[in-house]
Amino acid sequence: AQSVTQLGSHVSVSEGALVLLRCNYSSSVPPYLFWYVQYPNQGLQLLLKYTSAATLVKGINGFEAEFKKSETSFHLTKPSAHMSDAAEYFCAVSDQSATGTASKLTFGTGTRLQVTL
Amino acid sequence: DAGVIQSPRHEVTEMGQEVTLRCKPISGHNSLFWYRQTMMRGLELLIYFNNNVPIDDSGMPEDRFSAKMPNASFSTLKIQPSEPRDSAVYFCASSPHRGRETQYFGPGTRLLVL
Repeated sequence: AQSVTQLGSHVSVSEGALVLLRCNYSSSVPPYLFWYVQYPNQGLQLLLKYTSAATLVKGINGFEAEFKKSETSFHLTKPSAHMSDAAEYFCAVSDQSATGTASKLTFGTGTRLQVTL
Repeated sequence: DAGVIQSPRHEVTEMGQEVTLRCKPISGHNSLFWYRQTMMRGLELLIYFNNNVPIDDSGMPEDRFSAKMPNASFSTLKIQPSEPRDSAVYFCASSPHRGRETQYFGPGTRLLVL
């Protein structure tokens, strides 16, 4: 079974400061990992995903995440926060699909990012 | 390209009424997922389809919930009868082909049951 733990339901940073959102996973198979962002009153949008290629994954809007197998982590970072980054961020892990079918995603509980002036 | 389309975007109904939520996946996507999002329980997968066939409905909360996918371009999630605890945002997502592909989410339907 797969699971994801997001540490910190709320994170507040100043504009221009480093953003670090934490995600730890548990998976019985080599994981595929995802970060999604949800802006108010919108659906989830993919930021980036890890699919067992490069361990450092670059996504949209200047975000990146590093897969660390030894730490079972997939933390999301951005060097300099913008006001427009204020949103809720979800980490997710994909299970191993049965032959010919899609995989399920298991989501973390989300981290709400607040960016202050 | 059009993304996943959901309707209605907002629904207010009274307890006991039937509610039908609709979803049009991205053209060419073979898999469709229904999720529910609440403050208390976060994002929960209710059911998903592959090539219009339900694969896993273990997340459907009870018999009051049902989902269908009559063709590749349309799915419904029905609640009958509705209860106040069903109030949530319901998302539909689709993904291409099979395997561990990215899921693309619709804007959601915000349901309030009074």
